[in-house]
Amino acid sequence: GAVVSQHPSRVICKSGTSVKIECRSLDFQATTMFWYRQFPKKSLMLMATSNEGSKATYEQGVEKDKFLINHASLTLSTLTVTSAHPEDSSFYICSASRGRRGHNEQFFGPGTRLTVL
Amino acid sequence: AQSVTQPDIHITVSEGASLELRCNYSYGATPYLFWYVQSPGQGLQLLLKYFSGDTLVQGIKGFEAEFKRSQSSFNLRKPSVHWSDAAEYFCAVGGDTGRRALTFGSGTRLQVQP
Repeated sequence: GAVVSQHPSRVICKSGTSVKIECRSLDFQATTMFWYRQFPKKSLMLMATSNEGSKATYEQGVEKDKFLINHASLTLSTLTVTSAHPEDSSFYICSASRGRRGHNEQFFGPGTRLTVL
Repeated sequence: AQSVTQPDIHITVSEGASLELRCNYSYGATPYLFWYVQSPGQGLQLLLKYFSGDTLVQGIKGFEAEFKRSQSSFNLRKPSVHWSDAAEYFCAVGGDTGRRALTFGSGTRLQVQP
């Protein structure tokens, strides 16, 4: 149990276009979802935290107008990279948690590799 | 602010040898500590976690970790490494105070020599 999927797994787009990445909890209801970004050979950096039905909380330095996050249901959160540029190329990983406590385990998706040409 | 330090960027061990990956954390309250493994191009898999109780925790794939509050450490160990253990290992800290998202260390890449 506790499977999180991401779609697409890999996307290549032209500069200036928008890309939507979906994160789904397949067999549980996720009250909280997190979006991370991972640069090559680097650690995961939290971008934002989203609770179902409310606005996402963005980390300092993350442009909320560029990285739109929607958590419309307990099983789906989306990250839209608007007007993507080559510097947005990265590995984006989501995680989902059943609860709102720190000890509630986060289950990670397989990640989405975004390449902006 | 919470932080995690993994001092070893890259470690190479021989298959069958023992392994210890270091992790030091900074957290203002009782931490929740995690070790994750990431294979190339893959997501993260939880190896083990510590919330409270016994400071020596057992995980999957034969891994264990010991929480040492006095040293602010949570080192990962395995008595005998297999070639399939080659991957990137991340230590992470979280908790109930402050933000709930995990703070990750920079990772340690493990290579296993035959």
